[in-house]
Amino acid sequence: QSALTQPPSASGSPGQSVTISCTGSSSDVGGYNQVSWYQQHPGKAPKFIIYEVNKRPSGVPDRFSGSKSGNTASLTVSGLQAEDEADYYCSSHTASRIWVFGGGTKLTVL
Amino acid sequence: QVQLVESGGGVVQPGGSLRLSCTASGLTFSRAGMHWVRQAPGKGLEWVAFIQFDDSRKNYADSVKGRFTISRDNPKNTMYLQMNSLRVEDTALYYCVKGYSYGFEDWGQGTLVTVSS
Repeated sequence: QSALTQPPSASGSPGQSVTISCTGSSSDVGGYNQVSWYQQHPGKAPKFIIYEVNKRPSGVPDRFSGSKSGNTASLTVSGLQAEDEADYYCSSHTASRIWVFGGGTKLTVL
Repeated sequence: QVQLVESGGGVVQPGGSLRLSCTASGLTFSRAGMHWVRQAPGKGLEWVAFIQFDDSRKNYADSVKGRFTISRDNPKNTMYLQMNSLRVEDTALYYCVKGYSYGFEDWGQGTLVTVSS
């Protein structure tokens, strides 16, 4: 099972919006609404920020939103803040009943 | 508040074995699907294994299938990962994770496994 494809880096200035893509196939991202996203700060465990493509767990700011089109899912961070600088990972459940992650995207707030 | 505490990591030679444990509190463990997810130093996340809340289903990544075994003891609120035939490429921080709606909701702080001669 191949990993999902994410851009290695993304950046934006405070207050701007940035979108991170996550591309898979019809066997994972495109076939199911089971995409989730994670934020990881250096030296910390990942944090669950989006599930089922576009749902936010309790306590996650509405600046974080998710969407999907075909085999590509996206995470948008609006109103960028300094504390949003982190690594972001997507994940999807698959037709093989396993899970796959993307390679991660390092978000820099300029 | 959910707490997941991993233990059992350490240094082991290639071909060796280790058993990781994850003790859970603050949740109804017997109703939770659980995962192991690992992260090699400086690298991304890799899903390793899943066990259904009632032990009825277990799934493994191809990279560990046949070498690793996931199990759980619900009365003890504990999950395990038996790792055999360890390879250098298994070196990673291993996270215990509570599943939620096909995602990974709550994470432990991880236990480090180093495979080296």
